[in-house]
Amino acid sequence: DAGVTQSPTHLIKTRGQQVTLRCSPKSGHDTVSWYQQALGQGPQFIFQYYEEEERQRGNFPDRFSGHQFPNYSSELNVNALLLGDSALYLCASSLRRNTEAFFGQGTRLTVV
Amino acid sequence: QKEVEQNSGPLSVPEGAIASLNCTYSDRGSQSFFWYRQYSGKSPELIMFIYSNGDKEDGRFTAQLNKASQYVSLLIRDSQPSDSATYLCAVNDNAGNMLTFGGGTRLMVKP
Repeated sequence: DAGVTQSPTHLIKTRGQQVTLRCSPKSGHDTVSWYQQALGQGPQFIFQYYEEEERQRGNFPDRFSGHQFPNYSSELNVNALLLGDSALYLCASSLRRNTEAFFGQGTRLTVV
Repeated sequence: QKEVEQNSGPLSVPEGAIASLNCTYSDRGSQSFFWYRQYSGKSPELIMFIYSNGDKEDGRFTAQLNKASQYVSLLIRDSQPSDSATYLCAVNDNAGNMLTFGGGTRLMVKP
């Protein structure tokens, strides 16, 4: 049973560029949430997708956007990258919206 | 602003001892509580969850929840060097949309 998978694992981008991160949820899960984790801090909620709609959004600017596909996989897009966007981006999947969430291995984004 | 507070540590315990990790939260409407373990450079791994007041045991781990005091804890019995990691407390809101994490407590188990 495949767990949550994210791609790519590492990424280096230049300030001002755009990036797309991808996530496939755990088999049987229908809800995907995205988190940003800066070094030495706990993960911060970006947004959650359920039934292909954004259900709730954390305190992140509109530069952060996402999508969920009919197969429940999801993408996180970040436009106009800033140095401060450098972080570990985590995808978590769950069955329905209020159950245990399991994380993928994360994508380490470095903006230079 | 919903907050989850943890002592950042490091918490140092000898091998075989009990490690006690604590967490407080601000939102009285919180329904679900989770403990994640995160090794350096890795992603968080779910180790325990608890929904009701009281204790929940799973192997060497015990989660304790006191909603009146807005307090949740994790006890690790017979601590092993492999338990050395950062432990993240997370709280789910009423709607089940988001997890709010504490900053994590770094645990060091010394042989």
